Amino acid sequence: AQSVSQHNHHVILSEAASLELGCNYSYGGTVNLFWYVQYPGQHLQLLLKYFSGDPLVKGIKGFEAEFIKSKFSFNLRKPSVQWSDTAEYFCAVFNNNDMRFGAGTRLTVKP
Amino acid sequence: EAQVTQNPRYLITVTGKKLTVTCSQNMNHEYMSWYRQDPGLGLRQIYYSMNVEVTDKGDVPEGYKVSRKEKRNFPLILESPSPNQTSLYFCASSPGDHYGYTFGSGTRLTVV
Repeated sequence: AQSVSQHNHHVILSEAASLELGCNYSYGGTVNLFWYVQYPGQHLQLLLKYFSGDPLVKGIKGFEAEFIKSKFSFNLRKPSVQWSDTAEYFCAVFNNNDMRFGAGTRLTVKP
Repeated sequence: EAQVTQNPRYLITVTGKKLTVTCSQNMNHEYMSWYRQDPGLGLRQIYYSMNVEVTDKGDVPEGYKVSRKEKRNFPLILESPSPNQTSLYFCASSPGDHYGYTFGSGTRLTVV
């Protein structure tokens, strides 16, 4: 069965700091990987996705993620965070209508 | 506008009183799914559907029912709600594995 681990439970950064959120997955087949963001009181919104091609994928709001097959990782990065990036971030793997989420990482950006 | 619509957004009910949370998508997606989100437990899949009349249990199906009689609708039914079903529920739909899910706005359910 596929599963996802997110290592950071809560990350606190100051504005303009760089961000990297870890995500590791376990799945033996072809992977479809996603990062979602959930702003306070809202639903999940897709940030970016990877299923093939260039392992460095760019998403909305300046986020990017790198798929490293040998490490089973799909870490999320942003060079310079803003206060408005305060949210919860979920990594997910999706196959056959079965989407497994990590436990989420809460990001707090201090102005 | 392409969207997944859930109703109601908020619901407070009493133990044992049957309820239905509706979910509708206007994107002609084949995949639909229900999740519950609880603090510290993340999102857990309740049921999912690959197409009309095809549904399967997710990780936490106990106490829930679903039906998929039409492609656009995927209601979640709680026949006899209990307080441990107090949660935030999300419906989602997808055209396939490469695309991920589009989520509805959520239904916050409280069972007293």
